[in-house]
Amino acid sequence: KNQVEQSPQSLIILEGKNCTLQCNYTVSPFSNLRWYKQDTGRGPVSLTIMTFSENTKSNGRYTATLDADTKQSSLHITASQLSDSASYICVVVSGTYKYIFGTGTRLKVLA
Amino acid sequence: DTGVSQNPRHKITKRGQNVTFRCDPISEHNRLYWYRQTLGQGPEFLTYFQNEAQLEKSRLLSDRFSAERPKGSFSTLEIQRTEQGDSAMYLCASSNSRGWGSGANVLTFGAGSRLTVL
Repeated sequence: KNQVEQSPQSLIILEGKNCTLQCNYTVSPFSNLRWYKQDTGRGPVSLTIMTFSENTKSNGRYTATLDADTKQSSLHITASQLSDSASYICVVVSGTYKYIFGTGTRLKVLA
Repeated sequence: DTGVSQNPRHKITKRGQNVTFRCDPISEHNRLYWYRQTLGQGPEFLTYFQNEAQLEKSRLLSDRFSAERPKGSFSTLEIQRTEQGDSAMYLCASSNSRGWGSGANVLTFGAGSRLTVL
């Protein structure tokens, strides 16, 4: 069964600190992996896309990693800001159009 | 083009009533998806259109649910005889299947339509 699991379920950090969110998946066939940010009451917004051959990709303060052998990905947020408070969803794309969503990690950044 | 637009943003209805949600995707996007999201969960796939053709429907989409995309542009999702368990955020997303590699098929989501069934 195709599954995407994320940890931790929720996380609270102080502004300025770094954090790392984890994503493990069992999806076949694998096309690519995406991280989305979802603010409360809004639709998810794409942060980054990782293909099979990519190990690391950065987008500003966000750095995603992918280990296709162990089927794990991480999203590292550097120097967190209050506006980073949101849910972060790991999505694995299977084939050309199937998106398998994780349940997300809820991040709360405190001043 | 201001992205994916969904209406209404919020809908409160009594059990047994019918509701319809509308999604206007990004104009050049040929793919359109409907998802349902409940609190604390990731989006769950409901159905997928390529142009006007509905190519896949989830088992979650019971016979009370119907989706259409008559001209390959906007889409509607209708729920008949609503039940309290239908209360959720209904998300629409669109993408363009044309283009190269992972850059194609980047899902752009709307803000969602929140349904509350009393």
